[in-house]
Amino acid sequence: AQRVTQPEKLLSVFKGAPVELKCNYSYSGSPELFWYVQYSRQRLQLLLRHISRESIKGFTADLNKGETSFHLKKPFAQEEDSAMYYCALSGGYQKVTFGTGTKLQVIP
Amino acid sequence: GAGVSQSPRYKVAKRGQDVALRCDPISGHVSLFWYQQALGQGPEFLTYFQNEAQLDKSGLPSDRFFAERPEGSVSTLKIQRTQQEDSAVYLCASSQLAVYNEQFFGPGTRLTVL
Repeated sequence: AQRVTQPEKLLSVFKGAPVELKCNYSYSGSPELFWYVQYSRQRLQLLLRHISRESIKGFTADLNKGETSFHLKKPFAQEEDSAMYYCALSGGYQKVTFGTGTKLQVIP
Repeated sequence: GAGVSQSPRYKVAKRGQDVALRCDPISGHVSLFWYQQALGQGPEFLTYFQNEAQLDKSGLPSDRFFAERPEGSVSTLKIQRTQQEDSAVYLCASSQLAVYNEQFFGPGTRLTVL
């Protein structure tokens, strides 16, 4: 069975502070990991995925297979980063399992 | 261009009523997904179509839930004899290819069962 755990429901940081949103997963094979974001009054959208190894809006995420983690990081938080963030896992075809989400609140 | 659209955006049903939720995917997208998102939870997979074929319906919570995509485009999620626990936001997503590709989500339909 595949499972995604996001231990924090809410993360509050000050503008300019570093951000780390935690994600751990459980999967027996080689998963594809993603971060999705939902800004206020907008629809869910893909932020980044580990196979792309890219930085989007200053966010990066590294897949650590030893620790089964895929934490999302940004060195300096901006107010526009305030949103709901979901870590997600795909086990090889298109079925995606989402975590429960972390609400990021950036305090001005 | 037009994204994924869903209708209605809000639906209130009395317990025991049948409801039908519609999804219009992005034109040409092969794959279509339905998710259920309860309050305070992440989206949970319900079912997946590749064109008109329903390849995975393992997430449908009971036989009251039925989904179809008869012409490989528009999809309908039907819930029979609704129960209060069916109250949730129902999300539809589509992607371009049959192998994993970015999923584009609709705005969702918020279903409230009284």
